[in-house]
Amino acid sequence: AQSVTQLGSHVSVSEGALVLLRCNYSSSVPPYLFWYVQYPNQGLQLLLKYTSAATLVKGINGFEAEFKKSETSFHLTKPSAHMSDAAEYFCAVIRSGGYNKLIFGAGTRLAVHP
Amino acid sequence: GAVVSQHPSWVICKSGTSVKIECRSLDFQATTMFWYRQFPKQSLMLMATSNEGSKATYEQGVEKDKFLINHASLTLSTLTVTSAHPEDSSFYICSASLAGRWNTEAFFGQGTRLTVV
Repeated sequence: AQSVTQLGSHVSVSEGALVLLRCNYSSSVPPYLFWYVQYPNQGLQLLLKYTSAATLVKGINGFEAEFKKSETSFHLTKPSAHMSDAAEYFCAVIRSGGYNKLIFGAGTRLAVHP
Repeated sequence: GAVVSQHPSWVICKSGTSVKIECRSLDFQATTMFWYRQFPKQSLMLMATSNEGSKATYEQGVEKDKFLINHASLTLSTLTVTSAHPEDSSFYICSASLAGRWNTEAFFGQGTRLTVV
């Protein structure tokens, strides 16, 4: 069965600092992985996705993630944090059986300080 | 990108009443839609898969008689919380994927915050 684990429920960085949000996956088949962002009282917006093409995936708002099979990881990074990046971030994997059912990690709340 | 609209964005209802939440794909057809529930400061939990023209598939532990799902067209799925109680208060989010495309991203509605008093 597929699953994702997000390490760190809260991450705090200074504006302009590197953002690193960690996600490890477990899957018996090649996974399809996603990062979503959620602002308060809103739905989820796709940041980027990995679908077995390039291992380094670039997304919106300057975010990128690298798929590392040897480490079963799909960490999200951004070189320079902006105040507007403060939000909840979810890593997700498609559950086997198709139909695009997503299994979400517990989420990481990113705080950005001036 | 594809747009999913969820309505209402928030609702307050009295205990014992029923509440209907709509999820619409505005610019694409969605054979399948999904309903999630999110408790405060927690992740999203899949409740059910809504299939156009057929019965919904519920996840283990989700009461199908409590959460009625109807997917009458390729662009609309509804979730009705029947005989709502305070413990049903939560943030409900729907998602949809492009019809006939697998292992692609899901597009999410903006969510509905339900408060039962």
